[in-house]
This record gives sequence, C-alpha cells and structure tokens, in this order.
Amino acid sequence: QSALTQPASVSGSPGQSITISCTGTSSDVGGYDYVSWYQQLPEKAPKLMIYDVTNRPSGVSNRFSGSKSGNTASLTISGLQAEDDADYYCSSYTSSRTLVFGGGTKLTVL
Amino acid sequence: EVQLVESGGGLVQPGGSLRLSCAASGFTFSDHYMDWVRQAPGKGLEWVGRTRNKGNSHTTEYAASVKGRFTISRDDSKSSLYLQMNSLKTEDTAVYYCTRGGLGSYIEYWGQGTLVTVSS
Repeated sequence: QSALTQPASVSGSPGQSITISCTGTSSDVGGYDYVSWYQQLPEKAPKLMIYDVTNRPSGVSNRFSGSKSGNTASLTISGLQAEDDADYYCSSYTSSRTLVFGGGTKLTVL
Repeated sequence: EVQLVESGGGLVQPGGSLRLSCAASGFTFSDHYMDWVRQAPGKGLEWVGRTRNKGNSHTTEYAASVKGRFTISRDDSKSSLYLQMNSLKTEDTAVYYCTRGGLGSYIEYWGQGTLVTVSS
C-alpha cells in the first residue's frame, strides 16, 4: 500500500485560508468516505482534527473543514492563526482493511 | 479521560526482538479497535497494524512492511495492548504510538509514544 500524496509544505498569513490536498486511489481515498486528518505540533503526539471526510471531533475549531472529490481529499483551514503552525497528515481506510497515511504537510503561518 | 501509556522501548541490535506494551484507561478497552502507528525520526506517520475489538474476535491486520515479523495482541482483562517485534531492522527505528481506533476508520486517541532504536 503506497502512502497517500500530500504537498510537502504550504504557507499562509494570519487570517487567510489554506487548503491541503491528499491524493490516493480508488482503493483508498476514492473508494471510501473514511478519510481523516491529524495535526502534529513539534515533539507532540498527533491529534485527530477531521474524521470520515467531513466530521469534526468535539473540541476542534470549526475553522477546520474537510472535503473529498474522487481520489483527492482536502483539509481547509480558514482564519489562519499562529497556533495552526504544525504538520498535518491525512489517512484513509483501504480495500485491504488497513489504514494508510499521507507523507505529511508542513504548514507555516507567516 | 482516555489515557494510553506505552512502555518497553529501547536500544536493540539488528535481528533482535523487543516487546512493547500499552496500558489503557478511561474507557472500556474490550469495545475498541487498537492500532500501533510509528514515526521514524524526522519522518512521517506509518500505520503498523491493528487488533479489532472483542465483537470482531480480536482479528488483526498488519502493514506489509512488518507482516510476518511483528505480532499485535491484547489482554482485555488487563486493558493492555502489546506489540511483539522480531527480526528487527535498522529501518524499524521509530517512535511507536499506541492508539485507539474510532470505528475502524480513523485514530481517535494517541499515546505519547515510546522510542525504539535498532542499531549495532
């Protein structure tokens, strides 16, 4: 199972919106509405931000939203804040009944 | 409050074995899928494998990179998860996270991780 494809880095200024893409295949992202997104701050464990494409866990800001079209899922962060500066990973359930992660995207808030 | 605490990490030589443990609390352990995820130094996340809940007969799945070398088990009576790692390679060096799965399609909670270093 190959890793999902994410851009290595994205950046934005405070208050702006950014979108991180996550591209897979019909055997993972395109085949199931089971894409999730994780935020990882430096030296910390990852934190679930979005699950099942569009759902936010309790306590996660509504500035974070998810979507999917075909084999590509996206995470959008609106109203960027300095605290959003982190690494972001997507993940998908697969036809092999496993999970696969993306390579990760470093978000820099300018 | 959900808590996942890993232990058992350390330095091991290539070809050696190591067993990681994870003590869970704050939820009904037997009801949940449990996964292991790892992260090599400076690299991204890699899913290692999972054990399903009691209702799904504790069946397991593994990433291709560890299949045949790693074994995941659980003891619901002790709310504990285990990862037996054999035939270790230098590329297995990573922080290993114990995690609780959310209905099988995502990772809901993460432990703080334990570092495994495979080196001679």
